[in-house]
Amino acid sequence: QVTLKESGPALVKPTQTLTLTCTFSGFSLSTHGMRLSWIRQPPGKALEWLSHIYWDDDKLYTTSLETRLTISKDTSKNQVVLTMTNMDPVDTATYYCARIPDYWGQGTLVTVSS
Amino acid sequence: SYELTQPPSVSVSPGQTARITCSGDVLPNQYAYWYQQKPGQAPVVVIHQDNERPSGIPERFSGSGSGTTVTLTISGVQAEDEADYYCQSTDIIGTSVIFGGGTKLTVL
Repeated sequence: QVTLKESGPALVKPTQTLTLTCTFSGFSLSTHGMRLSWIRQPPGKALEWLSHIYWDDDKLYTTSLETRLTISKDTSKNQVVLTMTNMDPVDTATYYCARIPDYWGQGTLVTVSS
Repeated sequence: SYELTQPPSVSVSPGQTARITCSGDVLPNQYAYWYQQKPGQAPVVVIHQDNERPSGIPERFSGSGSGTTVTLTISGVQAEDEADYYCQSTDIIGTSVIFGGGTKLTVL
C-alpha cells in the first residue's frame, strides 16, 4: 500500500526558507523509473507543479521558481525534501507530494505571514 | 511555456451528461490525465492516459480527445460528482507537468 505524507511548518515569515518533508511507504525511490513530485495549490486556486526528483537523482523544477527551489531525497529514510527560499505571502498554499498521477499525500497548508 | 485551458465552470442537472474540455498545444503529442478534487481533499485521478479509467472509478467517467482538445465526460451525473476537475499533461519532451486551471462542476 502506497502512502505519502507531507510535514513541515504551518506558518513561515516572509523572507524565510520553507523546508517540507515527504515521507512515503509502499515503494522505493531507488527503483528504476520512479519519480516523486511536489505540487502546490493556493487557497481557491489551481494546482501548480513545482518539482520532480527521479530514482537516479535527476531533478527538475518549474521554470518560474527554479532559483528558489531545491529538491533532495534520502532513499534510506524514504523521504523527499523540498526547500523554497525567500518565502512571500503569495506562496501561501497547500503543498502536496505525489507520485503522479496515482498517489498523493493529504497536503500540508503553509501560510506565509509576519 | 505550455498551457492547458479549461472552462471555469460547468453546471448540469442530476442524471445529465457533463462534458469538461481541456485545450492545449501539447495534447496531440502527450497524454492527458483528469483529476477530481473535492473540498479539503487531495486530487484523485479519474482518467489516465487520455481515456483509461483507473480501478475503482465509476464507469460514468470517460475521457476522449481530438487534436488539441481532450474531454472528460461524466454520464448520468450524480450529486457526489460535484467537485473541481483538473486536466494534466506534460511539456513537449514529457518531463515538466502542466495543470489546467480547473473546472468547477456544479450539480444543480
